[in-house]
Amino acid sequence: DTAVSQTPKYLVTQMGNDKSIKCEQNLGHDTMYWYKQDSKKFLKIMFSYNNKELIINETVPNRFSPKSPDKAHLNLHINSLELGDSAVYFCASSQDGNRAYNEQFFGPGTRLTVL
Amino acid sequence: RKEVEQDPGPFNVPEGATVAFNCTYSNSASQSFFWYRQDCRKEPKLLMSVYSSGNEDGRFTAQLNRASQYISLLIRDSKLSDSATYLCVVKGGSGGYQKVTFGTGTKLQVIP
Repeated sequence: DTAVSQTPKYLVTQMGNDKSIKCEQNLGHDTMYWYKQDSKKFLKIMFSYNNKELIINETVPNRFSPKSPDKAHLNLHINSLELGDSAVYFCASSQDGNRAYNEQFFGPGTRLTVL
Repeated sequence: RKEVEQDPGPFNVPEGATVAFNCTYSNSASQSFFWYRQDCRKEPKLLMSVYSSGNEDGRFTAQLNRASQYISLLIRDSKLSDSATYLCVVKGGSGGYQKVTFGTGTKLQVIP
């Protein structure tokens, strides 16, 4: 009964490949996010969806395409993987991203390594 | 200037010590503030929200200074289990949606 789950936990792949990461939350939240945490541990928001609608897109290369089939799921597809894409990708959710004091719940992360 | 700045540390303190972290933010329109904790190779988790009046939760005290645009976290009587990275989070701004920005984190190591 994990609140925010991500698959896979680890992903090792070659440059140029296309891969997807899946995220699901069972909290009934309206807002979901994707974050990238690089080797320097800096956590940067990539996308935010509210009720399946894209709200935030933070200057992420268009090789990254999020998809939200319903408000409980937010998947991330990455085309033509590059070495610099190696990082930990965290999915998160919150009840309503528009509200000020709204806790975000994070998934366990997907550690992506591009060789 | 970074949107949210923290001293990366590490702060190495003995058990029982009191330690304080500061965080500054650049957007004066920011509306809500948080401290998250991240253990090594784990996801961030909310430690506490930071309110204008300041708030306390056990050994942890958070303060907000809107005029100077900084927030602080004070940990009293440090425990070994407090060793982690503490992330300052700022939310809000002008426009229709509240952007969330994380600081780079301050690493704390509590030593026996």
